[in-house]
Amino acid sequence: LAKTTQPISMDSYEGQEVNITCSHNNIATNDYITWYQQFPSQGPRFIIQGYKTKVTNEVASLFIPADRKSSTLSLPRVSLSDTAVYYCLVGAPKGKLIFGQGTTLQVKP
Amino acid sequence: EAGVTQSPTHLIKTRGQQATLRCSPISGHTSVYWYQQALGLGLQFLLWYDEGEERNRGNFPPRFSGRQFPNYSSELNVNALELEDSALYLCASSFGGQVGEQYFGPGTRLTVT
Repeated sequence: LAKTTQPISMDSYEGQEVNITCSHNNIATNDYITWYQQFPSQGPRFIIQGYKTKVTNEVASLFIPADRKSSTLSLPRVSLSDTAVYYCLVGAPKGKLIFGQGTTLQVKP
Repeated sequence: EAGVTQSPTHLIKTRGQQATLRCSPISGHTSVYWYQQALGLGLQFLLWYDEGEERNRGNFPPRFSGRQFPNYSSELNVNALELEDSALYLCASSFGGQVGEQYFGPGTRLTVT
């Protein structure tokens, strides 16, 4: 089973780029890496998903090295509204879904 | 388009009782996932249903069970409630077993006294 490890918390300032890394040393061949954002009292919201190399969408980028044992979520120019908990999810269809413990990002003015 | 809905919003039960939580997926989604989020902890995967069948299960005892109905809505049952079952129970749905983009409901807050 792929176990994920993330930093418990991170601080940043408005306008900065934030990079959150997730370690998943035992990732399986069929596993994808997905990141979610969660605000208090709400369900998580999908941010981005990738399998290898780099994926970019309108809100974030996801960097995955060739060995796929880690991944980095990059949030460009964060704002106060990006203060949330970010989860790394590793899993594949019909496989176990392993969520990391989440990284609490605090964006300061 | 309506999102994932869950009921009830809050549920208070006594230790030893049974709790039933309900989830309606987004129209067109056939997969439903259940997660437990205890206070201060991350999301723990409970169950995955697709096309009416249980497809996968997390590391939870058998007293956590559920089912998926022909209209793809789902029910989570927790028997013989224990104090540590107090948590936010989240339901998510997706198209046909895709692990990636799951859409989450607002959750049901279960309190066991």
